Amino acid sequence: AQSVTQPDIHITVSEGASLELRCNYSYGATPYLFWYVQSPGQGLQLLLKYFSGDTLVQGIKGFEAEFKRSQSSFNLRKPSVHWSDAAEYFCAVGSMNRDDKIIFGKGTRLHILP
Amino acid sequence: EPEVTQTPSHQVTQMGQEVILRCVPISNHLYFYWYRQILGQKVEFLVSFYNNEISEKSEIFDDQFSVERPDGSNFTLKIRSTKLEDSAMYFCASSGGAASEAFFGQGTRLTVV
Repeated sequence: AQSVTQPDIHITVSEGASLELRCNYSYGATPYLFWYVQSPGQGLQLLLKYFSGDTLVQGIKGFEAEFKRSQSSFNLRKPSVHWSDAAEYFCAVGSMNRDDKIIFGKGTRLHILP
Repeated sequence: EPEVTQTPSHQVTQMGQEVILRCVPISNHLYFYWYRQILGQKVEFLVSFYNNEISEKSEIFDDQFSVERPDGSNFTLKIRSTKLEDSAMYFCASSGGAASEAFFGQGTRLTVV
């Protein structure tokens, strides 16, 4: 069964520090991978996605993620975080099947220290 | 930029009442979804809808839930007799199809009292 694991429930980093949020997936077919961000009380905004090709994908707000098939991972990174990056981050997996649903991880809440 | 629109943004209802959550997907999208997020928890899949019928539904989506696309533009989620545990944020999403990401609305926060 497909699943997404985000092992870190909370992560705290200082403003200006680098960030890496972990995501591992289990999927029987070729996965499509996503990272969404959710600010408090807000909806889900797509940060970036991986469908095929270059395994390092660039997203909005200076985020990037790297797909590593051998590790079944799709970790999200940012070289220098800003206070406005404090939010909940969800990794998600889908497939190329036309109407397949997206499965979300449990999320990682990012806290930024001034 | 096209977006998915959900109304209302917040709804309070009494236990046992029926509620209808409304969504206007992106106009040329063909696949529609409802997800639920109980406060502090992960986003859970409820149902997917394509070609005027349910494609897949989760265990959460029991007989109290139904979806409809009544007029070709709206996509609704109905909960017939709400329970306290239905309190959650409900997200609608739409997708153009395979190899397309789903676009999510801002959500409707349902509070059952």
